[in-house]
Amino acid sequence: SYELTQPPSVSVSPGQTASITCSGDGLQNKYVSWYQQKSGRSPILLVHQDIKRPSGIPERFSGSNSGDAATLTITETQATDEADYYCQVWASSTAWVFGGGTKLTVL
Amino acid sequence: EVQLVESGGGLVKPGGSLRLSCGASGFNFSDYSMNWVRQAPGKGLEWVASLGSRVTYIFYTDSVKGRFTISRDNAKNSLYLQMNNLRVEDTAVYYCSRKGSYYFMDVWGKGTTVTVSS
Repeated sequence: SYELTQPPSVSVSPGQTASITCSGDGLQNKYVSWYQQKSGRSPILLVHQDIKRPSGIPERFSGSNSGDAATLTITETQATDEADYYCQVWASSTAWVFGGGTKLTVL
Repeated sequence: EVQLVESGGGLVKPGGSLRLSCGASGFNFSDYSMNWVRQAPGKGLEWVASLGSRVTYIFYTDSVKGRFTISRDNAKNSLYLQMNNLRVEDTAVYYCSRKGSYYFMDVWGKGTTVTVSS
């Protein structure tokens, strides 16, 4: 079955850039989506099809996908960006696959 | 406003059954594939089941095959998850979500909590 690997935690200082990675075999051949989940809340879609942002998502959130790793980049990180972040792909053998999630801490 | 509202969660003993519902509003429900995703306490997101817009396909994660059944009633704008032979490890918040234009989930409900415990 297909698996996605994320670092359990990432820390960033306010105003700096945070990068959250997601790795998987041949990931560049799949479209990656990213979700943000704040404590006690439902997930929200941040990025889909590697780089596209739904309306209402700030430009500070951007995605990329190359080789076996995708990256969610958050520029000018704010305290309100503290949340868990999940990557997700569709893998025909396993259907929907989520990464284990990364807890972003804004110190 | 596009909205999904789950209901039907609760406390059930191992081996018991529950039926979750998800009511959709603000969009043409019959045009969209739908999913159930769960999150065990303190854990990450886990996809559970998917159903095509006109029941064109049905998928389940391996751990629920043969125990859970996903269904929909497009006339009632509703998605369902019948859960039988529940196990302690099925304890989770269950979210209903909408599949976007490609393989992403663009709308999520607030979730309903299922607790399986003796």
